[in-house]
Amino acid sequence: ELKVEQNPLFLSMQEGKNYTIYCNYSTTSDRLYWYRQDPGKSLESLFVLLSNGAVKQEGRLMASLDTKARLSTLHITAAVHDLSATYFCAACNAGGTSYGKLTFGQGTILTVHP
Amino acid sequence: EAGVTQSPTHLIKTRGQQATLRCSPISGHTSVYWYQQALGLGLQFLLWYDEGEERNRGNFPPRFSGRQFPNYSSELNVNALELEDSALYLCASSLEDRAEAFFGQGTRLTVV
Repeated sequence: ELKVEQNPLFLSMQEGKNYTIYCNYSTTSDRLYWYRQDPGKSLESLFVLLSNGAVKQEGRLMASLDTKARLSTLHITAAVHDLSATYFCAACNAGGTSYGKLTFGQGTILTVHP
Repeated sequence: EAGVTQSPTHLIKTRGQQATLRCSPISGHTSVYWYQQALGLGLQFLLWYDEGEERNRGNFPPRFSGRQFPNYSSELNVNALELEDSALYLCASSLEDRAEAFFGQGTRLTVV
C-alpha cells in the first residue's frame, strides 16, 4: 500500500529565508502532486510532476521529483507572508488497490513571519 | 469556467441521521473523487466514480456510499451518522482517471 510522508510537519520561517519541504513515498508512483490549503478553504493545485527529474517553478515555489529515490521536494525561496498555508504532497499509483486515488502526506503547516 | 462546486457548504446533523452531500464537477470532467478531511486524520480517500461507476473505494464502512449521475455530478451519502463523521468533505474532479484533480470548496459536516 502506498504511503506518503512529509517533513517537516511544522515550519516557521522568517520572511526572506529559504527552506525545503520533503515528501517521501513508499512504492512506485508515476506522478506526484503538490497542493496548498489555506485555513478553512479547499485545496489549490500547485504542481503536477509526471517524470523522473521533473522540475516546475511558480513564483517563489519550485517542486522537483526523483522517482528513483521516491522523493519530491518543494523549495521555498525568499519566503513572504502570503505563502503561509498548509502544503500537501500526494502520490498516485497506476494500479492495485491504490488505483485512481491520491494518497496524501500529513501536510506541512508553514508560517512565515517578519 | 466554473470550478468544482459542492453543496451545502455547511451541514449540521444529529447522530444517527443521514447526510447527503452533492458535487458538480468541472464541465467535461468525468471522474469524481470524494475525500474526508477530519481533524488529526489528514486527507483520506473515500470514493472514486468514473462514467457512472464506482471505480475504487477507501477504507470506510458501507454506510458511506454514493453515486454518479449521467451528467457526472455526484452524491455522497452517509447513513447512521456518528460523531466521528464530523469533517470537511472534499469533492474533486478530473478530466480522466489519474489526471490532475481539482477540488471543490468542501462541505463541512458537523454531527452533534
